[in-house]
This record gives sequence, C-alpha cells and structure tokens, in this order.
Amino acid sequence: EAGVAQSPRYKIIEKRQSVAFWCNPISGHATLYWYQQILGQGPKLLIQFQNNGVVDDSQLPKDRFSAERLKGVDSTLKIQPAKLEDSAVYLCASSLGGRMEAFFGQGTRLTVV
Amino acid sequence: KNEVEQSPQNLTAQEGEFITINCSYSVGISALHWLQQHPGGGIVSLFMLSSGKKKHGRLIATINIQEKHSSLHITASHPRDSAVYICAVAGETSGSRLTFGEGTQLTVNP
Repeated sequence: EAGVAQSPRYKIIEKRQSVAFWCNPISGHATLYWYQQILGQGPKLLIQFQNNGVVDDSQLPKDRFSAERLKGVDSTLKIQPAKLEDSAVYLCASSLGGRMEAFFGQGTRLTVV
Repeated sequence: KNEVEQSPQNLTAQEGEFITINCSYSVGISALHWLQQHPGGGIVSLFMLSSGKKKHGRLIATINIQEKHSSLHITASHPRDSAVYICAVAGETSGSRLTFGEGTQLTVNP
C-alpha cells in the first residue's frame, strides 16, 4: 500500500515570497491533516479536512496560510507571504476517519531566509 | 502546561542499554501513539494503544489509563535507534486528530 506522499521534500524561499506544498493521502482516507513542526517542538495541527470540508482550522494563521482539498483527495497548503518564523517541517497525515490510526508523510522542510 | 508532557527531553545511552521514555497527559483520550521521527523529518508510527501493553521486537509500550501515563521501552538499544520519539494522544472527542508532546531526542552511542 502506498503511503502519504508529500512534495517538495525541501524548499528555501526568501521572506515575503509565496510557497505551496502538496499532499496525496493514502487512497480511501477521508481525513487529512496538515501539521506544522518548528525545530525542537512537537507538531501542531494547522488544519483538518474530512473529505473536501474543513473540520478544524482554528490554529491556521488565515492572514497568510490557506489550504484546500477541492476533490476530497489531494491537498495543497499555501503560505503567502512567508515570514521567517514559518521555517518548519510541514507534515501531512491521513486516516480513514473517526478514531482510526493516522499515517504520516515524509514532510516538507521549509526554510525562509 | 502542555496537554502532553514527555521526559526526558534528551537522552544519551550506550549501545545495549535499556531505555525508558515517559509520557504524561492531562486529558481524556481514546488512544495514545508512540511515533519515531528521524532527522529527515518523516514520522513512523510505532504503537497505538488504549490499554495495557504492546510489544514489537525490542520495543515495548505500556499505558496506565488511571494515572494518565505511558512509557516506551527499548531493550538492547542500538545506534540505529537514535531518533526523536514522540508521544501523541487522540482526545476522546477529537477522532484521529493528535496532540503531540515535544519529543525525546535519543542518541545511542556505539
């Protein structure tokens, strides 16, 4: 079974530039999560989708971050404009839903300079 | 205070030593996860448990629901076990959404 796919693996941008990350969850997984992990800290939830609907985006900085999952399958997370403090690993995870186990992608390491 | 607390933050061991990492949480949970994260950033699930004890190879995870505490043990540690170990909980009403601890950086020296 293919795992959660994320791209790119690494990205370096200058502050005030825009960046987008892509996630393709495990086939059939209805629930998709984006987490932000700052160096030395545990991941923190940015947004949770159930199919193509948003379940929880309370911790998403909506002035600069946006995410979509238009067809309820793959998802994109965008940052516009980026700030230095956005440097982090962005992790995508998916699950069948409910209380099922979540599976993680390899993450995208973003460096904002 | 974080909902999920891990100790120690950093742990250095010699190859072959028995290792214990602890996790305490303050909310009602439906499940607790132990995860392993290597320097590349990817996270691998080691255990998901809601009661008792699970064993996989040299890894053992235990949980005490009444005390809101879990431990991850590594027997006969090896340098390839060096990684960050993260405890995460799924709240009773949060489905599979996880709240993470800060992680424990384990270094096993040969």
